[in-house]
Amino acid sequence: EDQVTQSPEALRLQEGESSSLNCSYTVSGLRGLFWYRQDPGKGPEFLFTLYSAGEEKEKERLKATLTKKESFLHITAPKPEDSATYLCALGDYGQNFVFGPGTRLSVLP
Amino acid sequence: DAGVIQSPRHEVTEMGQEVTLRCKPISGHNSLFWYRQTMMRGLELLIYFNNNVPIDDSGMPEDRFSAKMPNASFSTLKIQPSEPRDSAVYFCASSSGGVNQPQHFGDGTRLSIL
Repeated sequence: EDQVTQSPEALRLQEGESSSLNCSYTVSGLRGLFWYRQDPGKGPEFLFTLYSAGEEKEKERLKATLTKKESFLHITAPKPEDSATYLCALGDYGQNFVFGPGTRLSVLP
Repeated sequence: DAGVIQSPRHEVTEMGQEVTLRCKPISGHNSLFWYRQTMMRGLELLIYFNNNVPIDDSGMPEDRFSAKMPNASFSTLKIQPSEPRDSAVYFCASSSGGVNQPQHFGDGTRLSIL
């Protein structure tokens, strides 16, 4: 059974203080590793898809990386508007899809 | 472009009543997903459709839950009879090609069963 864990559960940063969020997974045949952002009262918003170990993708202050066992979401010089819950999810070749529990990020001005 | 549209946004009803949640996917998307989100269990995939056909309903918790997709632009999730433990936020999402394409989510229906 595919499993996804995320750490830390919650993270508080000062504006400009860079950090990383972790997504660890076990899967029988990774098809894709996804990162989403969720704001309170809203549905998750797609950020990135990573397909193979060594792949990296960037968008503004966010960079996602992938290894065979985990993915990191690096946040460089965050701003208060980056505060949200960040979810990772994975799909396998059996058409299974599972979300992790998320990391709640707070960026203080 | 219009995103995924869900209705109602909030629903409060009494235990035992039938609840119907509605979803209009993004035009042109051929995959539709229903999720449930709670504090305890996070975001759980209940069922998904490809080309209006249910592909995997293994996440549907009980026979009280049913989902239909009569055409490419409309889907319903029904709970009958409802129970207090069904209280959650229910999300609908759509994609252009199954679970391994980016999914676009609606803003959810917050369901409270009294």
